[in-house]
Amino acid sequence: SQQGEEDPQALSIQEGENATMNCSYKTSINNLQWYRQNSGRGLVHLILIRSNEREKHSGRLRVTLDTSKKSSSLLITASRAADTASYFCATVLIQGAQKLVFGQGTRLTINP
Amino acid sequence: SAVISQKPSRDICQRGTSLTIQCQVDSQVTMMFWYRQQPGQSLTLIATANQGSEATYESGFVIDKFPISRPNLTFSTLTVSNMSPEDSSIYLCSARLQGNNEQFFGPGTRLTVL
Repeated sequence: SQQGEEDPQALSIQEGENATMNCSYKTSINNLQWYRQNSGRGLVHLILIRSNEREKHSGRLRVTLDTSKKSSSLLITASRAADTASYFCATVLIQGAQKLVFGQGTRLTINP
Repeated sequence: SAVISQKPSRDICQRGTSLTIQCQVDSQVTMMFWYRQQPGQSLTLIATANQGSEATYESGFVIDKFPISRPNLTFSTLTVSNMSPEDSSIYLCSARLQGNNEQFFGPGTRLTVL
């Protein structure tokens, strides 16, 4: 079963705007990872954030983690048409097997 | 990071046949996994491939249907057995690097069962 829920399921914005995607999860985690998947392609690893971290940056990407609310957000600044893709959050739980479990994903469309 | 290769990249198969997918990682890894992604859906974990022992399957997946091998640290195979059209999906190999919690994915194998 899916651990995370992502919001929104689909997002369409104009090029140059910022895009924010949210991820909520149910059980305490070891870390949370964000991925991008272009249509019909494999997954690209974007960022890993550990449970003791609150924010990480990578280029135009900013990820936050609020363990008290069991939620994370991915912000893409100054979006480009090439950012059009599906974005997934995935969590590794603290307890049990070290499995990476995926959310449902957000389909992001950047309009030129 | 790690480079993960899979083959075949895609295949079209007849109902009742089996297909074996190979996965090779270019780095030392601790764990390897197999996922399925049905059309328009997210990724679902099939099993954890254990080196030298039987894979650990998730609920809803069984060894008879999805036998998995991992003869060494960097290579694994997944077989989709006795296929039906419902098995049409993308199958992705994944690996976690030593000393790092980041998990990487192969390009996937797109399977169509007629």
